[in-house]
Amino acid sequence: DTAVSQTPKYLVTQMGNDKSIKCEQNLGHDTMYWYKQDSKKFLKIMFSYNNKELIINETVPNRFSPKSPDKAHLNLHINSLELGDSAVYFCASSQDYPAGLQGANVLTFGAGSRLTVL
Amino acid sequence: ELKVEQNPLFLSMQEEKNYTIYCNYSTTSDRLYWYRQDPGKSLESLFVLLSNGAVKQEGRLMASLDTKARLSTLHITAAVHDLSATYFCAVGYGNKLVFGAGTILRVKS
Repeated sequence: DTAVSQTPKYLVTQMGNDKSIKCEQNLGHDTMYWYKQDSKKFLKIMFSYNNKELIINETVPNRFSPKSPDKAHLNLHINSLELGDSAVYFCASSQDYPAGLQGANVLTFGAGSRLTVL
Repeated sequence: ELKVEQNPLFLSMQEEKNYTIYCNYSTTSDRLYWYRQDPGKSLESLFVLLSNGAVKQEGRLMASLDTKARLSTLHITAAVHDLSATYFCAVGYGNKLVFGAGTILRVKS
């Protein structure tokens, strides 16, 4: 029973196209995230939603637009894809605990979606 | 802005020897995490460290946190092949986690 599931796992597309990646979590977590992992394995946060509200919006091109229809889903839509968008995109979720409690904000990651822009 | 530095970035280990990965961070934080990533796979949570002096152990891995030095270490005891992976530390910064660049561990037979 997958906790954080992303689709598609692989996506190959041409420059200029628009694509979406979907994410769903069945953990009952309050917060969901999108991270981008580049070819050097560097992980950088892009967005975070808490109960459908955007709480983190890092310096990401406007071509990237997250949407959270409910707290179990966080989708990522990318317009006008560029070569530099090629990466693995990870969705993650976490449960918010009061500071000091074990398990505080541990992220559970999805399997990743590898996007290749040609 | 929080910066998280890991070193080394690559570690070639011999079986049965001990090694340490270091994670330094630039700003006060109340939580530090270690994750493991196998090639082509997702990230798996290993440890959560929430206080100065915290030490957690699981099998051949032991993580510790010194918040005054802003340093966490991941110690590997008697390396074995199945520990080969990339290990990330991540530091809590407000609402988000900032990840280090990752340390690639390879255990040579």
